[in-house]
Amino acid sequence: EVQLVESGGGLVQPGGSLRLSCAAAGFTFGDYWMSWVRQAPGKGLEWVANIRHDGNEKYYVDSVKGRFTISRDNGKNSLSLQMSSLRAEDTAVYYCARYESALKWWNYWGQGTLVTVSP
Amino acid sequence: QTVVTQEASFSVSPGGTVTLTCGLSSGSVSTTNYPSWYQQTPGQAPRALIYGTNIRSSGVPDRFSGSILGNKAALTITGAQADDECDYYCVLYLGDGMRLFGGGTKLTVL
Repeated sequence: EVQLVESGGGLVQPGGSLRLSCAAAGFTFGDYWMSWVRQAPGKGLEWVANIRHDGNEKYYVDSVKGRFTISRDNGKNSLSLQMSSLRAEDTAVYYCARYESALKWWNYWGQGTLVTVSP
Repeated sequence: QTVVTQEASFSVSPGGTVTLTCGLSSGSVSTTNYPSWYQQTPGQAPRALIYGTNIRSSGVPDRFSGSILGNKAALTITGAQADDECDYYCVLYLGDGMRLFGGGTKLTVL
């Protein structure tokens, strides 16, 4: 059974940093692209970042470029999102999801971790 | 700036048929945008319904179907049930690694 479990969310001040993690199990992690998708309270979904199975290709939504870094450790079956220069508008539930690159969709999702950016 | 458009809300009667659409502010949606659809109930993670325009995800009932209608992607629900009442999101691939969600449609079954 595929499992994705996010951690690392919490309350952070504007301008601060936070690192999210996603522990993957139940599949060969190193064979798949992975993603972060977020959802602000009461709002819709927003794709944040993708990383290729070997970590050598990364894509970001414009609003986080230069502030967020997606990375992975295939030996530890772990995905990360390093977030810096956080803004109030980054407040959201952050989901880790497995990306099916051939047809460009997300098959499996974690339950999410809440990041709140507030003074 | 490109926007993916969805109806903000829609209503359908139990047993009825509804078609939700997903458009692009910059032009037409095609299969090369790889439209996919996700269902989300409050407090839960999204669940994939349709990918690659019209392929049902594992375990999704065949009353959910995807297509291209005119210049938009479409999700059709036939024989709507009470537990279909939730939010539906489409997402399009825009090239250069970019993916964009629509704003979501809140479906009411009554």
